[in-house]
Amino acid sequence: AQTVTQSQPEMSVQEAETVTLSCTYDTSESDYYLFWYKQPPSRQMILVIRQEAYKQQNATENRFSVNFQKAAKSFSLKISDSQLGDAAMYFCASQVWAGSYQLTFGKGTKLSVIP
Amino acid sequence: GAVVSQHPSWVICKSGTSVKIECRSLDFQATTMFWYRQFPKQSLMLMATSNEGSKATYEQGVEKDKFLINHASLTLSTLTVTSAHPEDSSFYICSARDRRLAGYNEQFFGPGTRLTVL
Repeated sequence: AQTVTQSQPEMSVQEAETVTLSCTYDTSESDYYLFWYKQPPSRQMILVIRQEAYKQQNATENRFSVNFQKAAKSFSLKISDSQLGDAAMYFCASQVWAGSYQLTFGKGTKLSVIP
Repeated sequence: GAVVSQHPSWVICKSGTSVKIECRSLDFQATTMFWYRQFPKQSLMLMATSNEGSKATYEQGVEKDKFLINHASLTLSTLTVTSAHPEDSSFYICSARDRRLAGYNEQFFGPGTRLTVL
């Protein structure tokens, strides 16, 4: 079974500053994928960034980057130059082959951006 | 590309009635579709996995007779909540995998359906 833990129910950041959201996971699989999804008030799930476990290089997407520590099973998300539009729920998720590549989500972190 | 729609976006029904929610992949064929349930201020909980042309696989604790899933084509999956009760009120989200993108594991999410049972 896969578990994903997000230990920060809420976080806040000043506009233009940097914030890091934490995520740890547990899996016995050697081949897996990790994701960060954003869910704004509209509740549409938006993929922020993706990391393949076999890749040592941390994924980056513009202002978003991850710190993937495979041995520690840690997958944190760093948001640089925070913008008001970054305010949302952020969900960390893991995915393994279980016949259909199901996603297992953490409980989420609510990010507020202070102008 | 990779757009998933859901219909309706919201529905209010009386207790005891059945409600059907549609999930469509608009510009791709979906090998697999997933149905999630999300309570307020909580995470997404996987209810079932739907493969085209075969029976859905339900997660433990999800009543298959209450939440009927039909994946009749590569672009359409439906979730029917039968004999709905107030405790079934929730936000239902579907997602889909693009069959062309073998090995690429992103799921594309629909905008969700808010169900309120009176």
